[in-house]
Amino acid sequence: GENVEQHPSTLSVQEGDSAVIKCTYSDSASNYFPWYKQELGKRPQLIIDIRSNVGEKKDQRIAVTLNKTAKHFSLHITETQPEDSAVYFCAASDVQNFNKFYFGSGTKLNVKP
Amino acid sequence: KAGVTQTPRYLIKTRGQQVTLSCSPISGHRSVSWYQQTPGQGLQFLFEYFSETQRNKGNFPGRFSGRQFSNSRSEMNVSTLELGDSALYLCASSSGGGNTEAFFGQGTRLTVV
Repeated sequence: GENVEQHPSTLSVQEGDSAVIKCTYSDSASNYFPWYKQELGKRPQLIIDIRSNVGEKKDQRIAVTLNKTAKHFSLHITETQPEDSAVYFCAASDVQNFNKFYFGSGTKLNVKP
Repeated sequence: KAGVTQTPRYLIKTRGQQVTLSCSPISGHRSVSWYQQTPGQGLQFLFEYFSETQRNKGNFPGRFSGRQFSNSRSEMNVSTLELGDSALYLCASSSGGGNTEAFFGQGTRLTVV
């Protein structure tokens, strides 16, 4: 089955700096890659996603890049703010498995004011 | 549009008992997936239902089961509870096609004592 690895497990940045979280996947059939943000005690919230026919997608301060050849994708957050502090999860799925997501182990992002 | 609703929010059960959790998806969504979230194992896929049919199943023992009703509401049941079943159980709702956005409920926090 699919295996998604996520790094780093913790990331501490100064407010205003950029943060980058990286994920790799093993199954070349995977073609949908969402990112979720989970604040303490709350539900995971979809923040951005990318499909395999696209190399990059941006939404305000958040961007995701995908390298299908290398089987890795990354989340980029620019101009970080304290409210960006949370655990971020990457995930992968393929259309054959419908909504079966394989999640990374999570990155705890701490943005220091 | 109302979000994904899970009930109850918290449960405390004794080893050997059984438990039923409920998930009401976003109106119009026909797919419901269930995940177990623990600090050690992260987010793990349990199963997915679409139009009352289980389309996909994760690697959990048969004590974990689910079903979906004609109104798309879903329940999951865990029989003969073990201490290791203590976790946050999350359901995710989506329209049902492959590789579509999935939105999570707040989860049910199950504690087995």
